[in-house]
Amino acid sequence: SQQGEEDPQALSIQEGENATMNCSYKTSINNLQWYRQNSGRGLVHLILIRSNEREKHSGRLRVTLDTSKKSSSLLITASRAADTASYFCATDENRDDKIIFGKGTRLHILP
Amino acid sequence: GAVVSQHPSRVICKSGTSVKIECRSLDFQATTMFWYRQFPKQSLMLMATSNEGSKATYEQGVEKDKFLINHASLTLSTLTVTSAHPEDSSFYICSASRPPTYEQYFGPGTRLTVT
Repeated sequence: SQQGEEDPQALSIQEGENATMNCSYKTSINNLQWYRQNSGRGLVHLILIRSNEREKHSGRLRVTLDTSKKSSSLLITASRAADTASYFCATDENRDDKIIFGKGTRLHILP
Repeated sequence: GAVVSQHPSRVICKSGTSVKIECRSLDFQATTMFWYRQFPKQSLMLMATSNEGSKATYEQGVEKDKFLINHASLTLSTLTVTSAHPEDSSFYICSASRPPTYEQYFGPGTRLTVT
């Protein structure tokens, strides 16, 4: 089963611009996480936001969480070529110990 | 930080053979590990939850007799793809749940190609 639904599915922007990706989920959660995956590689954990948090920052990353709308957004500011990757949100569906991933957004940074 | 390894990183096997993939938590004991499968350009799909000392819990649609999971110790879970077919070719990723927060740490993945 898949919990999160990201949009857009694919995003191409110019280097230096900001990239925003959204994620929606269906059930109650304890936390929501964002991961990055370069093509054919493993996952890189970016940030975890708990259900009682509304916003979290890490470097050029900003994550928001709206539990009333069951949605989250990931903002990458001042994008770089190295940010080209797929980005996934993941939630602990029904506050279980399982993590369920969304479909992901493929981000391409144009030079 | 916690490290989870997978072995092998890549494997090519012939149709009809079985392949074993190992997932190890290197610096912590994991009572629970998870196995995911990822097809090209798609997301990770949870296959099963592996519990140390007990039977794995499989997600709907995952054949337990085809994907054998053994979690014999607190640092090792194995996934065996039995009688592999080309449609089993995929990227298999494991994760280990680390107490006390039970945050999941992911392995680097195993690329399986069945010819």
